[in-house]
Amino acid sequence: EIVMTQSPATLSVSPGERATLSCRASQSVNNNVAWYQQTPGQAPRLLIYGASTRATGIPARFSGSGSGTQFTFTISSLQSEDFAVYYCQQYNYWPQTFGQGTKVEIK
Amino acid sequence: EVQLVESGGGLVQPGTSLRLSCVASGFTFDDYAMHWVRQAPGKGPEWVSGITWNSNKTGYADSLKGRFTISRDNAKNSLYLQMNSLKPEDTALYYCAKGYWFDSWGQGTLVTVSS
Repeated sequence: EIVMTQSPATLSVSPGERATLSCRASQSVNNNVAWYQQTPGQAPRLLIYGASTRATGIPARFSGSGSGTQFTFTISSLQSEDFAVYYCQQYNYWPQTFGQGTKVEIK
Repeated sequence: EVQLVESGGGLVQPGTSLRLSCVASGFTFDDYAMHWVRQAPGKGPEWVSGITWNSNKTGYADSLKGRFTISRDNAKNSLYLQMNSLKPEDTALYYCAKGYWFDSWGQGTLVTVSS
């Protein structure tokens, strides 16, 4: 099973600032990584797939990069609605696996 | 608009069985792989199982040890999860999700396993 390790566990950021989240895979998953946002009481929402492709309707302030084992997710200028938990996921292999999440909180 | 509606959850005793259903609408169901993902209270999502569009391939989380079975009925736009020998650690909100990456999710059905 592929282990996805996210860092940091919590990120404190002021509105308008940049947030950078990391995700490392225990072995290469090519570019088959997705990023999801989850707010309390809601299902996860797909933001990025293919490591860097924004899903339909996702604002340009969200971006992703990486390949192989190292991936980065960036929010260029945090808006109030962006404070949430973010998960990476690899879908290159079954069983598919998620990271443990990064909580982005207001500083 | 894509809609995924799960049902079949509830409060059950350890060792019993439950069958979850997910009815899909708003897209061509038999064009897509489908998955079950669960989320225990206060925890992150955990992939449970997946099935290809034609049911030729199914997969399961290692932790399940053969207790769960995924299936689908493309004529009914429906996805199923048969859960046997339920354990307290299976307590979670169970979501169905669409596609190779999960571009749509239902709102989930809650399964509570407790004596």
